[in-house]
Amino acid sequence: DQQVKQNSPSLSVQEGRISILNCDYTNSMFDYFLWYKKYPAEGPTFLISISSIKDKNEDGRFTVFLNKSAKHLSLHIVPSQPGDSAVYFCAASGSSNTGKLIFGQGTTLQVKP
Amino acid sequence: DARVTQTPRHKVTEMGQEVTMRCQPILGHNTVFWYRQTMMQGLELLAYFRNRAPLDDSGMPKDRFSAEMPDATLATLKIQPSEPRDSAVYFCASGLGVHSADTQYFGPGTRLTVL
Repeated sequence: DQQVKQNSPSLSVQEGRISILNCDYTNSMFDYFLWYKKYPAEGPTFLISISSIKDKNEDGRFTVFLNKSAKHLSLHIVPSQPGDSAVYFCAASGSSNTGKLIFGQGTTLQVKP
Repeated sequence: DARVTQTPRHKVTEMGQEVTMRCQPILGHNTVFWYRQTMMQGLELLAYFRNRAPLDDSGMPKDRFSAEMPDATLATLKIQPSEPRDSAVYFCASGLGVHSADTQYFGPGTRLTVL
């Protein structure tokens, strides 16, 4: 049972345009959401997060939007750069304060020059 | 520059052999996670520890996988016997683990191939 789903395995965008990566979750007890970025042959690195008490969090070119009623979040990258080409993982955690994260399958983003 | 280290980076073995993967968490981090990355499932949590005690290993096939923390600087994941379906990249991550919002820091992974 996949509690966090990233239904698009891949996404290709032109440099300078917006990249939108989507993530859906099923567990209404999730209260914190994170995005991790992974380059080949490296481990994932933290990118941006959002608490369930907010609907938007922005950090430079990266913005995460949360729609709790739809159990959906998205990551916007504007403008996209070739260096953003990587695998992006969505993750969620509950209120148990255990630090346990549930990850999605990942979306491979390719930004073309 | 504190980092999580993992050894080996690559491992090729034959079915039935024992495989041991090692992880050195960032000094001071009290929570250690083991993940497996596959194409279909993405990043699956296998097990995690807090203050060296196992908190959850429900993601691990119990009959062949085992995870331990002999001391605060070493976490191990063992597969015995290994099977071709175990081929994947295994990541270790560490964090402060006080709150779910705490960032997890990942190692570079061990790419395991079981023939």
